[in-house]
Amino acid sequence: QQPVQSPQAVILREGEDAVINCSSSKALYSVHWYRQKHGEAPVFLMILLKGGEQKGHEKISASFNEKKQQSSLYLTASQLSYSGTYFCGTEPDQGAQKLVFGQGTRLTINP
Amino acid sequence: DVKVTQSSRYLVKRTGEKVFLECVQDMDHENMFWYRQDPGLGLRLIYFSYDVKMKEKGDIPEGYSVSREKKERFSLILESASTNQTSMYLCASSLSASSGNTIYFGEGSWLTVV
Repeated sequence: QQPVQSPQAVILREGEDAVINCSSSKALYSVHWYRQKHGEAPVFLMILLKGGEQKGHEKISASFNEKKQQSSLYLTASQLSYSGTYFCGTEPDQGAQKLVFGQGTRLTINP
Repeated sequence: DVKVTQSSRYLVKRTGEKVFLECVQDMDHENMFWYRQDPGLGLRLIYFSYDVKMKEKGDIPEGYSVSREKKERFSLILESASTNQTSMYLCASSLSASSGNTIYFGEGSWLTVV
């Protein structure tokens, strides 16, 4: 039931791009993306609802393919501040708000 | 800004002790959640509440209970702490049960059971 994130970890140089994937074995209504820095609270990035939409937030965007039950997070021209662990949270049923989170992807950005 | 406050950031408790983790949110949110975070496992839902005095089990409720006497406060209770409950505990809240609402997290409580 827990979605699978890939890769588990990635190391980039500043300015490079990254893609983080989130795959579920169940049909999804929505996917939430969060970033967490060590010792801090997870911070909301964006929500994608059923309908296959793509969203953007500065240089961070995401897509949601409901047929494939997958979502991808795109980080373009990465900055040092993007370092952290990224989690996807999947919501299988509308109105439940019972998110099931992936195991996380650790992103390290080096100068 | 929404603020979810967890009163204790770091706790060390002995096996068998009763442990209370307190959480308060200041935005009149209906939903409140308790998650447990362990390396390599992500966040796992322990309990959630969508109204005062209402609670529902999450994915890993065994060994835990919760209390929600007031809308802004959601407490996680470990009746008899065990070493396998050593973890980071995250409280969260959201406006309502409608899909698409942002879930806001507190900074977490690191619990060590010895």
